[in-house]
Amino acid sequence: EAGVAQSPRYKIIEKRQSVAFWCNPISGHATLYWYQQILGQGPKLLIQFQNNGVVDDSQLPKDRFSAERLKGVDSTLKIQPAKLEDSAVYLCASSDPPGGSTDTQYFGPGTRLTVL
Amino acid sequence: AQKITQTQPGMFVQEKEAVTLDCTYDTSDQSYGLFWYKQPSSGEMIFLIYQGSYDEQNATEGRYSLNFQKARKSANLVISASQLGDSAMYFCAFAPRDQAGTALIFGKGTTLSVSS
Repeated sequence: EAGVAQSPRYKIIEKRQSVAFWCNPISGHATLYWYQQILGQGPKLLIQFQNNGVVDDSQLPKDRFSAERLKGVDSTLKIQPAKLEDSAVYLCASSDPPGGSTDTQYFGPGTRLTVL
Repeated sequence: AQKITQTQPGMFVQEKEAVTLDCTYDTSDQSYGLFWYKQPSSGEMIFLIYQGSYDEQNATEGRYSLNFQKARKSANLVISASQLGDSAMYFCAFAPRDQAGTALIFGKGTTLSVSS
């Protein structure tokens, strides 16, 4: 089965520009997560979707970050305007819904963002 | 709030030896899950092994086993017969089960270096 797909793999922008990342989860996975991983740290949750509804966005900097998951499948994460501290790897993960056979999260390859 | 601690920034092991990567967690939840992920230099997060808080037996997956000591709140990863390809960053992660959000809370990671 195909894994989690993300694009682009790499992005370099200047501060105050905007950027968007795309994620396509594993087919049939209802839950989708976006994590931010700053160099030398573990990933931290930005937002969690269950189908096309938001479950947890408490750690999303809503003044500059936004995310959507239209039709409960693909998702996009946007940063506008970007700051230097947004330089990180943005990881998308998906899992089966609660009550399913497993809720192990499977990750995509990530998008490495550099803000200059 | 839950917390995951990985106290070993780096570990060094020779091929074919076994190695233990430490992980402790802090929670008052009764129901939770513990995960280990491997992150090679290419950046993707690879799921290795899962332990549920109610599982009585330690989880095993091939050369990976999880030494789960619930009373001590530790979930150490044991890799037997290390291989050069095991060189990577390893993350321990905690997933609560008693709340709607099931996002993973990651430790800071341990870098494992395997030499020939």
